Amino acid sequence: KAGVTQTPRYLIKTRGQQVTLSCSPISGHRSVSWYQQTPGQGLQFLFEYFSETQRNKGNFPGRFSGRQFSNSRSEMNVSTLELGDSALYLCASSPHPSSGGNTEAFFGQGTRLTVV
Amino acid sequence: GENVEQHPSTLSVQEGDSAVIKCTYSDSASNYFPWYKQELGKRPQLIIDIRSNVGEKKDQRIAVTLNKTAKHFSLHITETQPEDSAVYFCAASKDTDKLIFGTGTRLQVFP
Repeated sequence: KAGVTQTPRYLIKTRGQQVTLSCSPISGHRSVSWYQQTPGQGLQFLFEYFSETQRNKGNFPGRFSGRQFSNSRSEMNVSTLELGDSALYLCASSPHPSSGGNTEAFFGQGTRLTVV
Repeated sequence: GENVEQHPSTLSVQEGDSAVIKCTYSDSASNYFPWYKQELGKRPQLIIDIRSNVGEKKDQRIAVTLNKTAKHFSLHITETQPEDSAVYFCAASKDTDKLIFGTGTRLQVFP
């Protein structure tokens, strides 16, 4: 079974530009979450999607947005990039059984975004 | 708001010794507590987790304890080996897949 796949792996953008990151979850997983990882702030929650619906959103400005498609693939978008957006963006998928409750989150390798 | 505090931020031990990492969470409704290990340049990987209806869980050299009253949980690694060297993150969540992470502990195991 293929793991969580994130594309691209590396990205360099200029301040003011926008960027779209993609995440393909493990087959059969319906829940996708996004996290920002920086040396100073650790792992911070961005969004959580389940069956194309955003269930939770972290404390990030409106420049950060996301969506999930019917095949559970997810994208996140950052508009008007700032230097401080430079980080490793990690996506995680979970099977989230219909019976509810929490299940293991499997992380992708991440997309390293550098804003110059 | 939701918060998870993790201590210590760095931990150095001799091979064979034990290592203990502690976390405290703020939301009393949290019911799922995973621990992730992240090696340099790699993705976080789950090493053990515990749910709020259990006080302790063990998997070979790794154990996690949970004290719901005090709202804290701990990771215990016994007989540490150099390959245990990594950054360890605790996390908490309640009923969804939103994880609130601690700030991480860099564990170094010296041969």
